[in-house]
Amino acid sequence: DAKTTQPPSMDCAEGRAANLPCNHSTISGNEYVYWYRQIHSQGPQYIIHGLKNNETNEMASLIITEDRKSSTLILPHATLRDTAVYYCIVRVQAGANNLFFGTGTRLTVIP
Amino acid sequence: DVKVTQSSRYLVKRTGEKVFLECVQDMDHENMFWYRQDPGLGLRLIYFSYDVKMKEKGDIPEGYSVSREKKERFSLILESASTNQTSMYLCASSLSGDEQYFGPGTRLTVT
Repeated sequence: DAKTTQPPSMDCAEGRAANLPCNHSTISGNEYVYWYRQIHSQGPQYIIHGLKNNETNEMASLIITEDRKSSTLILPHATLRDTAVYYCIVRVQAGANNLFFGTGTRLTVIP
Repeated sequence: DVKVTQSSRYLVKRTGEKVFLECVQDMDHENMFWYRQDPGLGLRLIYFSYDVKMKEKGDIPEGYSVSREKKERFSLILESASTNQTSMYLCASSLSGDEQYFGPGTRLTVT
């Protein structure tokens, strides 16, 4: 699986959009971009994933660049409960293969 | 609502003890995973299973074994616990190629 690079930490004001970047310059054509988050003392939680088109669900939006070498997770209106570590993961979707979690981005939402 | 449960949130064991960590999922998922999480190292895969009685080694299987006698239950066994196995242990399950659902984790301390 391709590796990813994320900033170690970010702050965001409550109510504003949080934009979390991820670089995955070695991504292969059949690899998807997944985002998970981990709130303190809990297990990781799936957020969203995509291949090349932008995706949106009730939690977030995922913007993938045309060359697929980077992506941005957008939380449109951050709340204090969104304070967590966010992991960007690149993997082939099929099969029982594991997720490679790097060290992620620690997002702090500030009141 | 999907659910992955782990037998204990906190566990303290002595060096040399045999330790069982249990994980149960109620989603009829084929795949189940055991990870450990340590500060600065992210999540690392210990073992996974893609079917009953089937198991595959992950990235760090040494010192661990697993058992999957029923589809919904995946057990992690520390045959002889050591202090370097003090960690947060996370169980997850997934349908083939789909997102993984995590349990709340077990914080194991080996003294």
